[in-house]
Amino acid sequence: AQSVTQLGSHVSVSEGALVLLRCNYSSSVPPYLFWYVQYPNQGLQLLLKYTSAATLVKGINGFEAEFKKSETSFHLTKPSAHMSDAAEYFCAVSPQSGSRLTFGEGTQLTVNP
Amino acid sequence: NAGVTQTPKFQVLKTGQSMTLQCAQDMNHEYMSWYRQDPGMGLRLIHYSVGAGITDQGEVPNGYNVSRSTTEDFPLRLLSAAPSQTSVYFCASRLQGYNEQFFGPGTRLTVL
Repeated sequence: AQSVTQLGSHVSVSEGALVLLRCNYSSSVPPYLFWYVQYPNQGLQLLLKYTSAATLVKGINGFEAEFKKSETSFHLTKPSAHMSDAAEYFCAVSPQSGSRLTFGEGTQLTVNP
Repeated sequence: NAGVTQTPKFQVLKTGQSMTLQCAQDMNHEYMSWYRQDPGMGLRLIHYSVGAGITDQGEVPNGYNVSRSTTEDFPLRLLSAAPSQTSVYFCASRLQGYNEQFFGPGTRLTVL
């Protein structure tokens, strides 16, 4: 069984500041890990994914995430926040050979001018 | 390609009414799934299908039925709506053997 915990349901940053959204996972097998973004009144879009290749994964819109097995973490970062980054972000985990995607509770990111 | 489409966008039902949420994809994806999104709970899997004629339950299947007669379509049926089914429903699809899922725009359902 796998699970995901996102630390902080709401994160607020200033425009230009570092964005850090935390995700810890639990998985009985080496996981596939994902970050999705949901803009208001829209569906989810894939930001980036880890599939056992490079541990530092770069995604769209300047986001990146680092897989740390020792910490069972997959935190999402962006060096400089933009107003357009305001959205809800979901971390998700999937077993290597399975079909189910398990989502975290989501983190609402607010970017202040 | 239209990707994953869902209808309707919004729906209000009275308790006990039935309805079907429609989902279609034009990417020839074998795997399709339905999620519900509730505040503070992320997305929870309701039902999924790995191909036409094959469906299975997710973590919150009670009160919902599905069928998969074609590769393209995966409707979700509420036989007798309850206020606890007030939620935003997302349909998603992907190729079998791949993990990247593509999501529809969602259906916002209110049950009074």
